[in-house]
Amino acid sequence: AQSVTQLDSQVPVFEEAPVELRCNYSSSVSVYLFWYVQYPNQGLQLLLKYLSGSTLVKSINGFEAEFNKSQTSFHLRKPSVHISDTAEYFCAVRVSGYSTLTFGKGTMLLVSP
Amino acid sequence: ETGVTQSPTHLIKTRGQQVTLRCSSQSGHNTVSWYQQALGQGPQFIFQYYREEENGRGNFPPRFSGLQFPNYSSELNVNALELDDSALYLCASSPRTADYGYTFGSGTRLTVV
Repeated sequence: AQSVTQLDSQVPVFEEAPVELRCNYSSSVSVYLFWYVQYPNQGLQLLLKYLSGSTLVKSINGFEAEFNKSQTSFHLRKPSVHISDTAEYFCAVRVSGYSTLTFGKGTMLLVSP
Repeated sequence: ETGVTQSPTHLIKTRGQQVTLRCSSQSGHNTVSWYQQALGQGPQFIFQYYREEENGRGNFPPRFSGLQFPNYSSELNVNALELDDSALYLCASSPRTADYGYTFGSGTRLTVV
């Protein structure tokens, strides 16, 4: 069975600083990887995904994540965060051939002025 | 194009009661999944419906049941509510091939007292 580990439950950072949210997964078969963001009292929004091809994927709002198969990681990065990036971020994995998602426990990104 | 809508947004029930949560999938999506998100946790897969039949189930007891209707909308029913059932219940829809991830609704916050 697959699993997802998000190593940090909370990451405090100052506005305009860089940030990295870590995600590691375990699976014996091919996987697809996703990052979702959840703002307070809202559902999940897809931030970015890795299905195949280039291992570096980017979102429209400046986030990027790199799939590293040897380290089974899919860390999320942003070079300069904004106050509005404050939210909970979830890493998720889907095993090839299956349609269900397995989520990590989430990382709360707290951006302060 | 409408997204995924869930109703109600909030609900308070007494232990032992039964509850029905509803979900309208995004236009063009024929697969619906339900997830339970307990406080401070990542979403956990309950079950998935495709063409009105259950198409996968997570580690949840039989008192969690569901339906999918011909228009692809769905219901989640929980019988004999327990205090630990208090959570945010998320509905997600996708095309049969979920390569583009899921579209999540904003969820139903269920509180069992």
